[in-house]
Amino acid sequence: QKEVEQDPGPLSVPEGAIVSLNCTYSNSAFQYFMWYRQYSRKGPELLMYTYSSGNKEDGRFTAQVDKSSKYISLFIRDSQPSDSATYLCAMSLLTGNNRKLIWGLGTSLAVNP
Amino acid sequence: SAVISQKPSRDICQRGTSLTIQCQVDSQVTMMFWYRQQPGQSLTLIATANQGSEATYESGFVIDKFPISRPNLTFSTLTVSNMSPEDSSIYLCSVEDPAGGYTFGSGTRLTVV
Repeated sequence: QKEVEQDPGPLSVPEGAIVSLNCTYSNSAFQYFMWYRQYSRKGPELLMYTYSSGNKEDGRFTAQVDKSSKYISLFIRDSQPSDSATYLCAMSLLTGNNRKLIWGLGTSLAVNP
Repeated sequence: SAVISQKPSRDICQRGTSLTIQCQVDSQVTMMFWYRQQPGQSLTLIATANQGSEATYESGFVIDKFPISRPNLTFSTLTVSNMSPEDSSIYLCSVEDPAGGYTFGSGTRLTVV
């Protein structure tokens, strides 16, 4: 079993839809949870960073962490064609002085006008 | 957050040759990270580069194949040596953001023919 599971999609939605992107994980020691957006031919860009269970909102984006279920989500409200990208989840934990960072495969999202 | 300039953005190389990828950060950072991103696979950490010491390589990656330099706190290079078509990938450098998460360069898309 992979430490982080993410459905690669592709996911296609109409403009204005609410998008739900999800990752599950198996290691309960993960402490920090991140969502990145990656446009074609670009590096990943940090969207959301959180370390506690619950919701964190930033504009049209909401990150949700459920540590009891080992499940994280990213919601995009009023999706726009400019949101079309690959979305990667990532999780990290500290082991001594080292930080271990594990990535999901990424979900490809297309928002159609 | 830091801004990273990575070059080249892409290259097509002959097998058996080597390519050096450069990353310049606009601020001083202790650690720089080098990743590989292959189609259908999650981001894979190649090595961590600390200024003034040898890079630390992840399992499956060796210094002879991926030598790294870190001459100062704002610059690092990764060389892909004796390339084969299996080395065709996107290579990314990254630094840790003091506010949380990581910042990435725009990536180098390498094709080996």
